[in-house]
Amino acid sequence: GDSVTQMEGPVTLSEEAFLTINCTYTATGYPSLFWYVQYPGEGLQLLLKATKADDKGSNKGFEATYRKETTSFHLEKGSVQVSDSAVYFCALKAPNNDMRFGAGTRLTVKP
Amino acid sequence: SQTIHQWPATLVQPVGSPLSLECTVEGTSNPNLYWYRQAAGRGLQLLFYSVGIGQISSEVPQNLSASRPQDRQFILSSKKLLLSDSGFYLCAWSVWGQGDGGYTFGSGTRLTVV
Repeated sequence: GDSVTQMEGPVTLSEEAFLTINCTYTATGYPSLFWYVQYPGEGLQLLLKATKADDKGSNKGFEATYRKETTSFHLEKGSVQVSDSAVYFCALKAPNNDMRFGAGTRLTVKP
Repeated sequence: SQTIHQWPATLVQPVGSPLSLECTVEGTSNPNLYWYRQAAGRGLQLLFYSVGIGQISSEVPQNLSASRPQDRQFILSSKKLLLSDSGFYLCAWSVWGQGDGGYTFGSGTRLTVV
């Protein structure tokens, strides 16, 4: 079935470093792709999304591009801040509305 | 506006005691509703989902159950809690063809079974 695989982490970076969290997907159709963020002790929040090939989702300095040829949706940020410390989940939504989440990647940014 | 409420935020229960977690949605009709569990340091596990009143689908067999007595109310229950039921429980909703297409999550309930 449809699924996503993301790098497990944890990832530890210094402030202002470049961030990449890899996410690849397996799907029979053309799913929508999402990144969610979970701050400590909270629920998940939608960070960004892309609904078709070559779409770029962006929010709060984060970006991810829907790459059909590599079945990827890697999350990037040019300069991370301490406040970006959180768990990041890659997800896909199949045409039947089922959402499949990756295992999550914990990011810690040190000052 | 559309909001989702989940309570309680924190719960400590003894082994063998019952459980009832409630989730309500405002500002939308006929949502799909979901219960997820997140064990410490792990990803999300879908427990139940519901596409309508009284319609519950279980993803994982266990000693938990779910009910949807009203369109915008989703309840997670257990008759006797186990230590392994400890975790962070998240309720979520979505509506086919509306909004940003993603799921909207509640703030979660942290359950500790002692």
